[in-house]
Amino acid sequence: QQKVQQSPESLSVPEGGMASLNCTSSDRNFQYFWWYRQHSGEGPKALMSIFSDGDKKEGRFTAHLNKASLHVSLHIRDSQPSDSALYFCAAPSNSGTYQRFGTGTKLQVVP
Amino acid sequence: EAAVTQSPRSKVAVTGGKVTLSCHQTNNHDYMYWYRQDTGHGLRLIHYSYVADSTEKGDIPDGYKASRPSQENFSLILELASLSQTAVYFCASSSGTASAETLYFGSGTRLTVL
Repeated sequence: QQKVQQSPESLSVPEGGMASLNCTSSDRNFQYFWWYRQHSGEGPKALMSIFSDGDKKEGRFTAHLNKASLHVSLHIRDSQPSDSALYFCAAPSNSGTYQRFGTGTKLQVVP
Repeated sequence: EAAVTQSPRSKVAVTGGKVTLSCHQTNNHDYMYWYRQDTGHGLRLIHYSYVADSTEKGDIPDGYKASRPSQENFSLILELASLSQTAVYFCASSSGTASAETLYFGSGTRLTVL
């Protein structure tokens, strides 16, 4: 069965610093990803999707996709305490009919 | 923004009892999903639906049933609740197949089975 793996499990960065999160998928049928963010007590909310090789930037968030290695990363520059949350990576299932999620990276931004 | 409403927000159930979790969306989305969240497992798909009166199994369907009586409503049913089903449950919707579309999640239902 396809797996979506994330690293690290948890991450602590200082306020204003750069946070880097990683994700890989084992399924080559669908080579694109989503990033979701979940604050405590809330449902996940989509941050961005990336379908093409290279970088995609949205404000302080940049995703980088390498289709050859099925690896995607998320970089958060100028991290803020409000960025403290659980971050999920997701990729299409083998059938393409739903999204499979990784186990998440817990980010803590320390003031 | 897309709206997905779940009820109840939390529930305590007894082992062997029946539990129904409800989800309502006002996005006019065709696809709806039920995910379960456990620490260390992330989000795992239980059931999904792409049309009313039809449901499909996800990755962990055992012990769960789903019902989609209309485009707007999607329920998750635990006929005989067990301790292992204690978790947070999230409903989501998307406008098209999730291989190409963003998911919109509700706020979750925290279920505790005693």
